[in-house]
Amino acid sequence: GQNIDQPTEMTATEGAIVQINCTYQTSGFNGLFWYQQHAGEAPTFLSYNVLDGLEEKGRFSSFLSRSKGYSYLLLKELQMKDSASYLCAVSPLRSSNTGKLIFGQGTTLQVKP
Amino acid sequence: EAGVTQSPTHLIKTRGQQATLRCSPISGHTSVYWYQQALGLGLQFLLWYDEGEERNRGNFPPRFSGRQFPNYSSELNVNALELEDSALYLCASSIGLADTDTQYFGPGTRLTVL
Repeated sequence: GQNIDQPTEMTATEGAIVQINCTYQTSGFNGLFWYQQHAGEAPTFLSYNVLDGLEEKGRFSSFLSRSKGYSYLLLKELQMKDSASYLCAVSPLRSSNTGKLIFGQGTTLQVKP
Repeated sequence: EAGVTQSPTHLIKTRGQQATLRCSPISGHTSVYWYQQALGLGLQFLLWYDEGEERNRGNFPPRFSGRQFPNYSSELNVNALELEDSALYLCASSIGLADTDTQYFGPGTRLTVL
């Protein structure tokens, strides 16, 4: 089966850097997604990691280590608008679980002035 | 380019009634996914449709059902509503059958069962 763990809440200061961790136990997966979800809105796609390493996209970066069962989302130069929930999701291997994403419960990030 | 759209935005029903939720995917996307996001819980996979066929379903009872139309829009039906069905129902679409396809989400329908 699959189990994905994220911290429930985090607080950071505007302008700072924050790292949101995601650990998972899964029998195998295609890749790992990160989504951002503002309260009452749709989750929006941030990143997708297939290979180990760091993927950088502007102020946001995502890292994956398959051997350690670990990913993180790094947010730099935090802005107030970054206050949202950040969802980690795994795309399971096609042979056993087609189509669906397995989501963690999400990390609610509060950015303070 | 228009994103995934869902209707209605909010829906209030009473126990035992039926609810119908609708979703229109991004133009060119053939796969539609439905997820339930209950308060304080992560997104739970409900159903996946592609090319009009149900491809996979999550661990939900049969009273959760749906279909996909020839224009790739989709409908989720929930029969015999129970209080615990109150949740945000999110629809997502992707370009095709590959499991690595990024899923793009709509704004959701908030269903309240009284």
